[in-house]
Amino acid sequence: KQEVTQIPAALSVPEGENLVLNCSFTDSAIYNLQWFRQDPGKGLTSLLLIQSSQREQTSGRLNASLDKSSGRSTLYIAASQPGDSATYLCAVDRGSTLGRLYFGRGTQLTVWP
Amino acid sequence: DTGVSQDPRHKITKRGQNVTFRCDPISEHNRLYWYRQTLGQGPEFLTYFQNEAQLEKSRLLSDRFSAERPKGSFSTLEIQRTEQGDSAMYLCASSSIRGGQGITYNEQFFGPGTRLTVL
Repeated sequence: KQEVTQIPAALSVPEGENLVLNCSFTDSAIYNLQWFRQDPGKGLTSLLLIQSSQREQTSGRLNASLDKSSGRSTLYIAASQPGDSATYLCAVDRGSTLGRLYFGRGTQLTVWP
Repeated sequence: DTGVSQDPRHKITKRGQNVTFRCDPISEHNRLYWYRQTLGQGPEFLTYFQNEAQLEKSRLLSDRFSAERPKGSFSTLEIQRTEQGDSAMYLCASSSIRGGQGITYNEQFFGPGTRLTVL
C-alpha cells in the first residue's frame, strides 16, 4: 500500500518569504507525482506533475523536486504572496497500477501581508 | 476545453434517500476517476474507468455505491440509502495517458466537486 505524508501540516508566513513544503511516500515504484492546490470548499488545481524519470519541474514561482529512491518530494514557493494561501496536496500513483492517486493530508499555507 | 464539470455542486439529503452525482470529463480524456474527501483529509480513491470499463474499485466503495460510465463519456455515481457517514466532498477527475520511450504521464485534472450533506 502507498502511504503519503506531508510536513508541515500548517504553515503561516509573512509575504515575501521563500517556502519549502515536504512530501514523502512509502513505495518508490511510482510513475508520476503531482502537486495540487486546493482553496477552501473547492476542487483541486494541478500545479506540477513530475514523471518518475525527472528530477524537477518548474512553473513560475513554483519548483518541485523528486528523489524517487528516497521517496521524497519538495515544493518550493518563491517570494510568497497572500494569494498563495491554500492547502497544498501531494499525490503519487503506484507503479503496479498507473491509475489511482494516493494523497497526503496536505499542508495548509497562510501568507499574511 | 472547459475542464471537468460536476453536477450538482451541493446536495442536502435525508438519511436513507438515494442520491446521484454526474461528472463530465475533459472531452479527449479516456480515464475518469471518483474520489471522496472529508474535512481535513486528502482525497481517497473510490473507483476509475478507462472508456466504459470500470478497472478498479476501492474497498471504500460499499454495495450502496455504484458508478457507471455509459459510452465512455460522462459518469454517474449513485449512493443508495445514504448514511450520515457519507457526508463528504465527492471529486471527479479525468486524464489521458500519454508518453513514449519508457516515459508515462497520467496528469489528473479535477472538477469542482459535489458537496454532500446527509441529515
